[in-house]
Amino acid sequence: NAGVTQTPKFRVLKTGQSMTLLCAQDMNHEYMYWYRQDPGMGLRLIHYSVGEGTTAKGEVPDGYNVSRLKKQNFLLGLESAAPSQTSVYFCASSQGDTQYFGPGTRLTVL
Amino acid sequence: GIQVEQSPPDLILQEGANSTLRCNFSDSVNNLQWFHQNPWGQLINLFYIPSGTKQNGRLSATTVATERYSLLYISSSQTTDSGVYFCAVPHTGTASKLTFGTGTRLQVTL
Repeated sequence: NAGVTQTPKFRVLKTGQSMTLLCAQDMNHEYMYWYRQDPGMGLRLIHYSVGEGTTAKGEVPDGYNVSRLKKQNFLLGLESAAPSQTSVYFCASSQGDTQYFGPGTRLTVL
Repeated sequence: GIQVEQSPPDLILQEGANSTLRCNFSDSVNNLQWFHQNPWGQLINLFYIPSGTKQNGRLSATTVATERYSLLYISSSQTTDSGVYFCAVPHTGTASKLTFGTGTRLQVTL
């Protein structure tokens, strides 16, 4: 099992550009999450999904959109990137109470 | 929302020393998790411990839910223990959404 994988690992964007981060899990988990981690801080929840075809807002959803068209994939989109979105993005999945995290995507917006 | 505080924020230990990390939370919880983020950024789930004590090798954790705190013990520390330790508790409601503390950064030196 690969667990939770994220694509890409690194990305540099210019202000106003768009991109999509892909999260995939092979554990057949129902729940998936997107977090961001900023220097000196813990992780903050952006959006989450309780199952295929569902999404919901977390703590810091502004500027992001998500989609869960397939159970194993959870996509995070930035329509118009801003420097404030420079961060490390983590995806996670869970079936019960234990969350399993991907390796992260480091995004820089210039 | 629930507040999660960790102490100390930073800790430097010599290899072989023991340490205790603390996590306080502001409201009743039915779940608490400890994570280790290694120097390469990977988040590893250490313990799921809503109450009581669990041990895994040199690490153990205790949660006293009635007093709203949890402790992570590291014995005979090794350089591979370096990184940031996070505790996380669930938001109210479904989907196991987590609120993270700001972490304890541990550096173990030779």
